[in-house]
Amino acid sequence: AQSVAQPEDQVNVAEGNPLTVKCTYSVSGNPYLFWYVQYPNRGLQFLLKYITGDNLVKGSYGFEAEFNKSQTSFHLKKPSALVSDSALYFCAVRDGYQKVTFGIGTKLQVIP
Amino acid sequence: GAVVSQHPSRVICKSGTSVKIECRSLDFQATTMFWYRQFPKQSLMLMATSNEGSKATYEQGVEKDKFLINHASLTLSTLTVTSAHPEDSSFYICSARDIGTGNEQFFGPGTRLTVL
Repeated sequence: AQSVAQPEDQVNVAEGNPLTVKCTYSVSGNPYLFWYVQYPNRGLQFLLKYITGDNLVKGSYGFEAEFNKSQTSFHLKKPSALVSDSALYFCAVRDGYQKVTFGIGTKLQVIP
Repeated sequence: GAVVSQHPSRVICKSGTSVKIECRSLDFQATTMFWYRQFPKQSLMLMATSNEGSKATYEQGVEKDKFLINHASLTLSTLTVTSAHPEDSSFYICSARDIGTGNEQFFGPGTRLTVL
């Protein structure tokens, strides 16, 4: 069975500083990895995905993620955090049957 | 990008009543839609996979007679919570798979259900 781990319940970062939100995964076969962001009482918004190709994936709003096969990780990064980036971030993995498994989510708090 | 809508966005109902939530793909056809449930401060849990023209596939532990799913067209799936109880209060999110963009899933904005 596939799984996703987000080891941090919350990440605090000062505005302007780089941010990292961690994610590790477990899946049989090739991983299809995603990051989504959720604002309060809203649905998920797609940020980026890794299917194949370059390990560094660039996405929306200046976010990027690095796929590391040996460490089975897919950490989300941004060079300079904005207060408006404060939200709940979900890492997800999809199997060949389209079933998506989400991590528990990491709350990002960007401090002005 | 592809847009998925949900209606209503928020609903409050009395215990014992049934509530229908609609999920629509607005600019693409979706042969498969997914229904998720999210409890406060928790992740999304897949409830069922809705296939157009056939019966939905439910995840283990999800009561199919309580959560009725109908995927009658390529752009509409409905989730009906029958005889709702307070413990059914949750945030329900659907997603739709767009075959035209490589099977990418697009999520709706969610429906907040509160059962009194």
